[in-house]
Amino acid sequence: EVQLVESGGGLVKPGGSLRLSCVASGFTLSTYTMNWIRQAPGKGLEWVSSIDSSSSYKFYADSLKGRFTISRDNANNSLYLQINSLSAEDTAVYYCARVGLRVAWDAFDIWGQGTMVTVSS
Amino acid sequence: DIQLTQSPSFLSASVGDRVSITCRASQGISSYLAWYHQKPGKAPKLLIYAASTLQSGVPPRFSGSGSGTEFTLTISSLQPEDFATYYCQQLNSYPTYTFGQGTKLEIK
Repeated sequence: EVQLVESGGGLVKPGGSLRLSCVASGFTLSTYTMNWIRQAPGKGLEWVSSIDSSSSYKFYADSLKGRFTISRDNANNSLYLQINSLSAEDTAVYYCARVGLRVAWDAFDIWGQGTMVTVSS
Repeated sequence: DIQLTQSPSFLSASVGDRVSITCRASQGISSYLAWYHQKPGKAPKLLIYAASTLQSGVPPRFSGSGSGTEFTLTISSLQPEDFATYYCQQLNSYPTYTFGQGTKLEIK
């Protein structure tokens, strides 16, 4: 079965750091561009970051630049998101998602189940 | 940055109804648009990509249309499992993306 499984979320104090992981199974992660998307409680979807298949480029939402770092380990079929200087505004479910390969500029065809990050003292 | 505006933000309908949701882009995005729906506590699920192509396994009662700046998702006959929140996403600025604010479809 093709799936993505996130982990690493939890309760963190303001100013703290966290590293989220996303493990792929049922397909070869190294073939795909990958993304992180977040969703604050009761709010809509916010794209966070993307990384191409070989880590040659990494992009971030303008509002989040500097505190977020995306990376991947294709040998271990894993994607990561390092978040520093956490604040209450970072409280959200964080999803990883795969960009499809069917057409140019394809959509996010596979999503993980999400991992919850709560920032609170 | 490309902004997406969905309308309506809330929609109340009955099983069997035909409903449409509109997504407007702040600038032309060709056909680089996708639609998702999301049920409470679950991850979003892809319904439509390239504006009008049905994702594998998605029922044919879902359809997408449009290009440029105006797009529409139509559900031809609502089923109980379709009550969810719907999002559009622009793919034109790959590899950066934006989502619409969402449309919550509720049972009347």
